[in-house]
Amino acid sequence: KAGVTQTPRYLIKTRGQQVTLSCSPISGHRSVSWYQQTPGQGLQFLFEYFSETQRNKGNFPGRFSGRQFSNSRSEMNVSTLELGDSALYLCASSSGGGYYEQYFGPGTRLTVT
Amino acid sequence: DQQVKQNSPSLSVQEGRISILNCDYTNSMFDYFLWYKKYPAEGPTFLISISSIKDKNEDGRFTVFLNKSAKHLSLHIVPSQPGDSAVYFCAASATSGNTPLVFGKGTRLSVIA
Repeated sequence: KAGVTQTPRYLIKTRGQQVTLSCSPISGHRSVSWYQQTPGQGLQFLFEYFSETQRNKGNFPGRFSGRQFSNSRSEMNVSTLELGDSALYLCASSSGGGYYEQYFGPGTRLTVT
Repeated sequence: DQQVKQNSPSLSVQEGRISILNCDYTNSMFDYFLWYKKYPAEGPTFLISISSIKDKNEDGRFTVFLNKSAKHLSLHIVPSQPGDSAVYFCAASATSGNTPLVFGKGTRLSVIA
């Protein structure tokens, strides 16, 4: 079974631009969660989608948004990028039975200049 | 307000010796705890978990201990191997509310040959 895939793996954007990241979960998994990892803050939960509905949301500004498609693939969008948005963005999928069954993708490294 | 704390950013251990990674939590609703290992350029991978009804869980060289009264858990790796060099994240969840995992900031373990 293929693992969680994320595209692109690396991205460089300019402050003020917007960006869209993509995540394909493990086949059969209906839950997709997104996390931001920075050196100073560790992994911080952004949001979770289950069957195309946002089920949980972390404490991030409205510039961060996401969606999930009927095939469970998910996208995350960040608008009006700031320098502080530079981070590794991780996607994790699960069958929906709980957050403790998550499998992570390799992440997208976003650099904002 | 950090609910999960890993107070040691880094740890160096000689090959063959024991590695002990510590984690403290503040939320008494947490009842399920996990350890993830992360190599550079890869997503975190699940290592071992423990439910609050247990005080110890063992899997090969890895053992997790939970002290509920102290709100403290630790991961023991015996014997440590160079391949164990990675960043280790402690995570906690309140399973009854299906709340997202809360991660610590991680501890970088270096196992020296």
